[in-house]
This record gives sequence, structure tokens and C-alpha cells, in this order.
Amino acid sequence: KAGVTQTPRYLIKTRGQQVTLSCSPISGHRSVSWYQQTPGQGLQFLFEYFSETQRNKGNFPGRFSGRQFSNSRSEMNVSTLELGDSALYLCASSGTGVAYNEQFFGPGTRLTVL
Amino acid sequence: AQKVTQAQTEISVVEKEDVTLDCVYETRDTTYYLFWYKQPPSGELVFLIRRNSFDEQNEISGRYSWNFQKSTSSFNFTITASQVVDSAVYFCALILTGGGNKLTFGTGTQLKVEL
Repeated sequence: KAGVTQTPRYLIKTRGQQVTLSCSPISGHRSVSWYQQTPGQGLQFLFEYFSETQRNKGNFPGRFSGRQFSNSRSEMNVSTLELGDSALYLCASSGTGVAYNEQFFGPGTRLTVL
Repeated sequence: AQKVTQAQTEISVVEKEDVTLDCVYETRDTTYYLFWYKQPPSGELVFLIRRNSFDEQNEISGRYSWNFQKSTSSFNFTITASQVVDSAVYFCALILTGGGNKLTFGTGTQLKVEL
């Protein structure tokens, strides 16, 4: 079974621009969650999508948004980029049933904002 | 709000030593799940174990073992006979039951295993 894939793996943007990151979950998984990892704040939950609906949201400004498509693929968008948005963005997917909250992570997208 | 504390920022051991990574959590909920993840230098988080709050049995998987003690709100992780390949950052995390898939992570422990 293929794992979680994220594209692109690396991205360099300038302040004020916007960016879209993509995540393809493990086949059959319907939940996709996004996390931001920075040296200062550690791993922080951004949001979770399940069956195309946002089910959970973390404490991030409205510049961070996401969506999920009918095939469970998810995108995350950050508008008006700030220097502090430089981070590793990790996507995780999980299935249903008894292991419903075992999250499997992708390799991440490393975003650098200049 | 829930919280996970990993007081050990960095641990260095020599190969074949045993090492224990500490994890203490706080939550007012009575049902929750605890996790350990490994993050090697490549950056991808690797799932190691999930334990629910009703199951206090210790678990062993090869060189890895976990000790869950609800009385002290701890979920410690021991690597026996450590190897250089165990070098990574290890994260402990918590999910509340019924809270969807929102992981609350600790700050991580950097483990360095040297020859």
C-alpha cells in the first residue's frame, strides 16, 4: 500500500505571496490532518478534514485554510505569507474502524518564506 | 486543555545501552489515546504505538517497550540495546476520544546513539 504523499517537497516563496500544498492520503483513508512544525513552536495541529468536511481546527489565523476532495486528497492554502510561516508542513491520514485515529504521516513540505 | 510534557530535550547514549524516554500528560478527560512517533533526520513522522486510556498493560515490540501508568499520567518508552539507527527525535502525543484526529504533541526528545 502506498503511503501518504505530499507535494511539493520543498517550496520557496516571498512575503505576501500565497501557497498551496497538496496531500494524498493512504488509499481508503478518509481523514486528513495537517500539522505545522517549527523549531520554536514544535508540532501544532492546523486542521482535519473528513469526508470533505472540516472536522477540527487548530488555533491558526484565517490565512490558513484547507479543503478536501471527494477522493480524500487534501490541499492546504496559506495566503499573505509571513516570515513566521516558514516551517515543515506535515499531512497525516487515518482510516476508520478500530484503528481510526492511528495517523500516518507523509514526508512533509518544507516551506521557506523570504 | 490537554498537555504533553517531554522533559528530556536531548539524550546521548552509547550503542547497546538501554534508554528510557519520559512522557507525562495532562487531561481532564477520562478517555483518550496516547501515541509515540519517531522522526528521523528525513523528517517523516513514523508511527510506533497507540495505547488507549483503558489499557494499562505494558507492551513490548522487539527492542521497544512502553510503560503506561495512569496513576502518574505517564507513558514512558524504553529502547533496549540501542542502535545507531535509533537516533532520531521521539514525540509523545495525545488524542482525546471523540475529538477527531487532533494530536497534541510533546516537544520531543532528541536521542543520539553513538558507537
